[in-house]
Amino acid sequence: GQQLNQSPQSMFIQEGEDVSMNCTSSSIFNTWLWYKQDPGEGPVLLIALYKAGELTSNGRLTAQFGITRKDSFLNISASIPSDVGIYFCAGLGSSNTGKLIFGQGTTLQVKP
Amino acid sequence: GAVVSQHPSWVICKSGTSVKIECRSLDFQATTMFWYRQFPKQSLMLMATSNEGSKATYEQGVEKDKFLINHASLTLSTLTVTSAHPEDSSFYICSARVTWAYNEQFFGPGTRLTVL
Repeated sequence: GQQLNQSPQSMFIQEGEDVSMNCTSSSIFNTWLWYKQDPGEGPVLLIALYKAGELTSNGRLTAQFGITRKDSFLNISASIPSDVGIYFCAGLGSSNTGKLIFGQGTTLQVKP
Repeated sequence: GAVVSQHPSWVICKSGTSVKIECRSLDFQATTMFWYRQFPKQSLMLMATSNEGSKATYEQGVEKDKFLINHASLTLSTLTVTSAHPEDSSFYICSARVTWAYNEQFFGPGTRLTVL
């Protein structure tokens, strides 16, 4: 079945630093979604990408849909303590089921 | 907006009892909702797809008789964990598919189930 490999698994950075994480797959996806999950909460949608090559920003967050449609990355610039959490990528394939395939998550810790 | 709520936010029950979790889309209609479970430090695992007015579609390995799903209206889906056991303890999260951005899903805040 389709799988997503998300890396890195965890990051511990200093406040103010930039962060980059990515997801890769052996399968093609038509949509890439990036979510953030705080402890004990549901995931919150950060950015949605629909076209290969698309680069989309949401404040300090920037995400890109890879040209091959098999990868995506998320960058966070000038990190702040509230960026702490788990970031998940999710891909949607060509079927119309709406099922998302999730990456394993990247745990981000920010040291003030 | 696209707000999804879940109730209860947490529940503790005795082994053998049944627990019902509600998922509501508050400001939109959702013909399709999804139920996930998540274990500590792990990713979300899709359990089933809930379609309004029809039977749910379960993922491989998920017991349909144990996890009953009912999507009786365009704003409400329920997950009932029947005869719960300690191994059913988990974080259950629902999501709803929005119609104006068909490929996007918005998640509820989750329900923490603890079975004693």
